[in-house]
Amino acid sequence: RKEVEQDPGPFNVPEGATVAFNCTYSNSASQSFFWYRQDCRKEPKLLMSVYSSGNEDGRFTAQLNRASQYISLLIRDSKLSDSATYLCVVTAGNQFYFGTGTSLTVIP
Amino acid sequence: DTGVSQDPRHKITKRGQNVTFRCDPISEHNRLYWYRQTLGQGPEFLTYFQNEAQLEKSRLLSDRFSAERPKGSFSTLEIQRTEQGDSAMYLCASRPPGVTQYFGPGTRLTVL
Repeated sequence: RKEVEQDPGPFNVPEGATVAFNCTYSNSASQSFFWYRQDCRKEPKLLMSVYSSGNEDGRFTAQLNRASQYISLLIRDSKLSDSATYLCVVTAGNQFYFGTGTSLTVIP
Repeated sequence: DTGVSQDPRHKITKRGQNVTFRCDPISEHNRLYWYRQTLGQGPEFLTYFQNEAQLEKSRLLSDRFSAERPKGSFSTLEIQRTEQGDSAMYLCASRPPGVTQYFGPGTRLTVL
């Protein structure tokens, strides 16, 4: 079983739409949680950390449910520039485990 | 530029050749990671250094792969007797204690 599971998509949404991505993880001892963004043929870049209380950064909201071992990312008012692959990341000890990524295309 | 740097950015080699990649982490980061990423997949962990000590290695890291970080600063990843299945993006990331990691631009390897 993979450490982190994500729906690969693709998600194709119109500009201005709200889109949500989900991710589940298998290790209940996982400690830290992140969403990374990866543009085509580029390196992953940190989008935001995810906390149990939920956290928001502008149009982006991340949630963590430790009981269900579930992480989500909500993007409101989608922009063309949001088109990318979104990677769910979970840590255990010093290791970082990446999901396969969810592909998002925002359509004009 | 004070970010993570990797060299070369692209490498094309013939099957059976040896290749070596270099990673220069952010200077104050004592932890360094190597990952491999293929199309449609997330980065897969290869190995981890804390200062000069290689503390963890993935089962993915066959005996053809070796990594070093001799002075706890830059790191090298060598692949011996390359195979076509080694074609991938090789990513390096660094981080200080207790913080998430920051990636370099990667080295794209193509084995013909």
